[in-house]
Formats: sequence, C-alpha cells, structure tokens
Amino acid sequence: DIQMTQSPSSLSASIGDRVTITCRPSQKIANYLNWYQQKPGQAPKFLIYAASSVQTGVPSRFTGSGSGTYFTLTISSLQPEDIATYYCQQSYNFPLSFGAGTKVELK
Amino acid sequence: QLQLQESGSGLVKPSQTLSLSCAVSGGSISSGAYSWNWIRQPPGKGLEWIGYVYQSGSTSYNPSLRSRVTISLDRSANHFSLILTSMTAADTAVYFCARADWGSPHWYFDLWGRGTLVSVSS
Repeated sequence: DIQMTQSPSSLSASIGDRVTITCRPSQKIANYLNWYQQKPGQAPKFLIYAASSVQTGVPSRFTGSGSGTYFTLTISSLQPEDIATYYCQQSYNFPLSFGAGTKVELK
Repeated sequence: QLQLQESGSGLVKPSQTLSLSCAVSGGSISSGAYSWNWIRQPPGKGLEWIGYVYQSGSTSYNPSLRSRVTISLDRSANHFSLILTSMTAADTAVYFCARADWGSPHWYFDLWGRGTLVSVSS
C-alpha cells in the first residue's frame, strides 16, 4: 500500500499569506495525486486532480504541482474561506489512500 | 444537479452489522461511467477509502476491510449500499458516499454525500 505523508500537520497564517502544503507518497506515483479541502462538519471538496489540474469553479489562488514523490498545494493569498483541512490522495494504485491532512488556521 | 445522501443505522452494537445506503438524486446511477464509493473518517482523523461498486456490479475493496465489507448497487432504486460486518469501536466514523469518474485514470472523488456518523457502542 502507498503511504501518504503530509506536512505540516497544521499551520497558522494570516489573511493574504502564501501557504504551501507538502505531500510525499511512499513510492513514485507519477502525477496521480489529488487534493481536497474539508471544512468542519462538511464533506471534502474536490480541488485538484492529476497533481496540477484545477477543478472547475475552484479559485485561481489554488495551485498544485509536483510529480513522483513530492507534491505541493499552494494558496497564493490566503482568504478567510480557505480555513480548512487539506488532504492529498493518491490514485496510482489500489487501495486508494489519503494523507493525514493539514489543518490551516488563522494566525 | 446530482446529489448523494447517506442513510442507515447510526448506532451499532459491537459484533453487529452496519448497513448504509446512498441515495442518488437528480440523475440516474446508471448514467455516465462512474464508480460509486464509500469512504470513512474516524472522529478527528483522516480519510480511509473502503471500496467501490461500478455500474456493471463489479467491486473493489480496501484489503484492510475486504473480509468484512460488501458494496452493492440497486439500479431500480437508484442507490448503492454498504454492509460492514463484525463491527468494533474502531469502526466508529463518519461514513461518506462519493462518486469517481470511471473514465479518468486519476480516480478523484468529485461528488460527495454529507456523511453519516456511525457509532459502535453497547
């Protein structure tokens, strides 16, 4: 099984800050990496697939990059509505697996 | 607009069987090429993929749960279901149903239900 390691587990940032979250799979997964945003009490929301392709309707301040064993999700200018937990998910092989999440809080 | 809604037993006793259903509304579960998935999230923890059923009826399960899980599809009722046997406290979680695009190699979950909390307690 592929283990997904996210860092940091949590971070505090101010409105307008650039925020970067890292995801490292335990083996190479090419670009088979997706990102989700989850707010408390809600289902995850799909943001990015294939490492860097942004889902329709997702604000342009969200970008993804990486391949192989190193991926990042960047929020270029943090907004209040971005306060949430972010998860990466590999789709390289089964069983599909998620990272443990990165909680983004306001400083 | 397609929507998913989970329903089923919210409290299960240890060793008993969980049964959940995910109703698909706003469209047919047989339209397009999608897999229908179950994903769970223990309180305060991360996400775990349980398995899927494709509209042909074929299934795939997480090996960690394979011996206890069954996912099935009911086209006439436009829903899919999860059965998880021999429940323990470790199975306490919010259970989500979710859709994935079968035609994409990048198996992302683009549509989710709101989730239903299942507690295992005597």
